[in-house]
Amino acid sequence: GAVVSQHPSWVICKSGTSVKIECRSLDFQATTMFWYRQFPKQSLMLMATSNEGSKATYEQGVEKDKFLINHASLTLSTLTVTSAHPEDSSFYICSARVGDEQYFGPGTRLTVT
Amino acid sequence: QKEVEQNSGPLSVPEGAIASLNCTYSDRGSQSFFWYRQYSGKSPELIMSIYSNGDKEDGRFTAQLNKASQYVSLLIRDSQPSDSATYLCAVISGGYQKVTFGTGTKLQVIP
Repeated sequence: GAVVSQHPSWVICKSGTSVKIECRSLDFQATTMFWYRQFPKQSLMLMATSNEGSKATYEQGVEKDKFLINHASLTLSTLTVTSAHPEDSSFYICSARVGDEQYFGPGTRLTVT
Repeated sequence: QKEVEQNSGPLSVPEGAIASLNCTYSDRGSQSFFWYRQYSGKSPELIMSIYSNGDKEDGRFTAQLNKASQYVSLLIRDSQPSDSATYLCAVISGGYQKVTFGTGTKLQVIP
């Protein structure tokens, strides 16, 4: 299967600061990547769809000014959580599709103190 | 009605038994179906995809699709404690090829 990496795997930051998470497709090109968030014992929640060379599409209820997405190349999408607050603490997972199959990165655990 | 429905479980089966996980979907026009396994604290891992009615086998896993009844299932034969995880059903439907995930079924394999 296709390989998707994420960096960092975990990060702790102080309230009010910004955090950038990188998502890379290692062995394929991804014109579209997806960003999910998952709180403990809850299901995956799609935050946004990242499109190479164009603006991301955000799901209803997701603040686009808070969660900045940049898909600068066919192998890299970044999610920046701006002015992070403790309620943003969560497990952030990116994914990319190869044909119909969707492959997930290993996730980034964000803790905001 | 949820687009993709799964029983949250937990489903407990003894080691060596067959685990049967079920998923129903609402969009009759759905074409592609997937099963993911997610261990606690980890991201989902694709384990099976199925596109046509019938059974598809891969090792100890068998995916079953019945489009007329709008359900897809996953059978795990000879269940092992290492199979204990949450299993997510995913369906692609709609003109925009949107992937919808179920909430997952937690499987516990008891040694």
